[in-house]
This record gives sequence, structure tokens and C-alpha cells, in this order.
Amino acid sequence: ILNVEQSPQSLHVQEGDSTNFTCSFPSSNFYALHWYRWETAKSPEALFVMTLNGDEKKKGRISATLNTKEGYSYLYIKGSQPEDSATYLCAPRPPGSARQLTFGSGTQLTVLP
Amino acid sequence: ETGVTQSPTHLIKTRGQQVTLRCSSQSGHNTVSWYQQALGQGPQFIFQYYREEENGRGNFPPRFSGLQFPNYSSELNVNALELDDSALYLCASSSPGSWSYEQYFGPGTRLTVT
Repeated sequence: ILNVEQSPQSLHVQEGDSTNFTCSFPSSNFYALHWYRWETAKSPEALFVMTLNGDEKKKGRISATLNTKEGYSYLYIKGSQPEDSATYLCAPRPPGSARQLTFGSGTQLTVLP
Repeated sequence: ETGVTQSPTHLIKTRGQQVTLRCSSQSGHNTVSWYQQALGQGPQFIFQYYREEENGRGNFPPRFSGLQFPNYSSELNVNALELDDSALYLCASSSPGSWSYEQYFGPGTRLTVT
């Protein structure tokens, strides 16, 4: 069973602020890391899939980095907007894991107008 | 392209009863995974079905069982419901040709056991 930790558990920021949060996972036996964004009453939405150490992905104002050697990933949001309010989940995946995802508890972001 | 759908949206059951939850996968996806999300936690993997066969199982007791049909839709069955089974149940489908094994989630079924 993978031990996945996300911090902080929750976060309140003002509109326009930039923010970041962390996903920590075991660095051994790593294959890929998934980031999801989950708005209340909606389906979790895939943001990024990252596999390589040093990988950086970007989607609009949201970007993510990956360090597989030390077992962490950062998610950054530049110039937060109220519509960014959601829970952000990460899920590392070991090789040969039959497409099973092990999720962290998530970071709940609230962007205040 | 139709996304992943789940039914019902909400369900209230009594302890000891049985429940069936349903999931229709996204068009072209032959793999369906089920997850349980309890309050304050991330989704936990229950099991996965690939071409109508169970293809991996998480740490859930045998009273959690499933089926996948030839059209790749799926059911999650839970027998002898317990209070702790109250949770949001998510299903996710994935494409056989996707290198990333990206999973596409439905909106979930909220189960309350009283």
C-alpha cells in the first residue's frame, strides 16, 4: 500500500494570489503520477500525468513539477481565480499496477474573491 | 462522446441490506475501476474490471463484488451493508490504447447506510 501525503490539507487564498501545494510519495517503485482537480458536485478531472524525473507540465495557469528521486510533486496555480476552487488530488502509480490509482487525501483550495 | 455516467445519484439503505450501483463507461473504454471515497479521505481503489474479468482488487472484503457486461458497463454490489460503507462511490473508465492509463471519472453515487 502506497503512503501518499498531500499538504496542506486545505488552503484559502485571495483572488490573484499564486499558490502551490505538495504531493509526497515513496520514491522507490515509481512509474507515474496523476494529478486531478475535483470541483464540488462534479467528476474528478484529469490535469496531468507525469512520469519522468524533472518533468514539468503546464495547463493554462496551472503547472506541476515532478521529482521522482526524492518522491514529491508540486502543483502551482498562478493568479488564482474563484473558479480554481476545488480539491486537488494526486495519485502515484507503481509499474504493473493494473491501472490502479492510490490517491492522497487532497488539498482543498478556496479562492476568495 | 459520452462521458462516464453513474446511477443512482443518491441512495439510502439500511444496515444489513444489499445495494447495486451502476456505471456506464466512456465510449471506447473497456476498463472500469471502482473507488470508495469516505469523508475526509481520497478515493480508495476497490477493484477493476477489464473485458468482463476482475483485474485487480484493493483491500475490500468479499461482500464487495462487481460485474462488467459485454458493453463494458459495470455494477458494484455490496452485501450486508455496514454503517462504514456510507461513502461516495466513483467509477472510472480508461482506454486500452492510452499509454498514460488515464482514468475518466463519473460524478459518483452517494450511499448513506442508516
